[in-house]
Amino acid sequence: GPKVLQIPSHQIIDMGQMVTLNCDPVSNHLYFYWYKQILGQQMEFLVNFYNGKVMEKSKLFKDQFSVERPDGSYFTLKIQPTALEDSAVYFCASSLFGDSDYTFGSGTRLLVI
Amino acid sequence: GEQVEQLPSSLIVQEGASVLINCSYTDSASVYFPWYKQEPGKRLQFIIDIRSNMERKQTQRLTLLFDKKTKHLSLHITATQPGDSAIYFCSARGTGGYKVVFGSGTRLLVSP
Repeated sequence: GPKVLQIPSHQIIDMGQMVTLNCDPVSNHLYFYWYKQILGQQMEFLVNFYNGKVMEKSKLFKDQFSVERPDGSYFTLKIQPTALEDSAVYFCASSLFGDSDYTFGSGTRLLVI
Repeated sequence: GEQVEQLPSSLIVQEGASVLINCSYTDSASVYFPWYKQEPGKRLQFIIDIRSNMERKQTQRLTLLFDKKTKHLSLHITATQPGDSAIYFCSARGTGGYKVVFGSGTRLLVSP
């Protein structure tokens, strides 16, 4: 079936540097999401995005986080500057409608050192 | 905000057995409950869902039951196979937006 691609699969970055996580959603999907999962913990909602705008965000979506999808290209999550506690697996997902099931990417494992 | 709990956290069964995974949520306004499966090393994959105006949904070997009064769901998997080994996630979505809140997952291991 259709897939969500996440690039890169792994990223190691120095604390304080900027990182951009890329997501290529299913082509006809309209809603996009980022989730964060720290090892051994629950997957937690960060943000959802529709029609060029952030619709909802959680308290985990700090001021250092931003999302965009310029001109239908990658849906990106940027963290600037990164902190040690940002180390986690970040999952991107997309859905056709706001109330339909998600298609997930394989995740980007981010390690901030 | 919404919280989703799953029990048990892990299950080990022999091939052919049936299993039951329980899920409870806290927000009575939640209306949509998708379940996902994550096989080792693979992405989360949608397997079944139910909406709050239904009590039961079945697809192949999966039966999902929903009790709105008790805010409880249960996923029943029959005739388990080693390929069913995965982490199963319950989730819930409210009416106020589109975000879905996930449970912590149930790790199922089906031995041949």
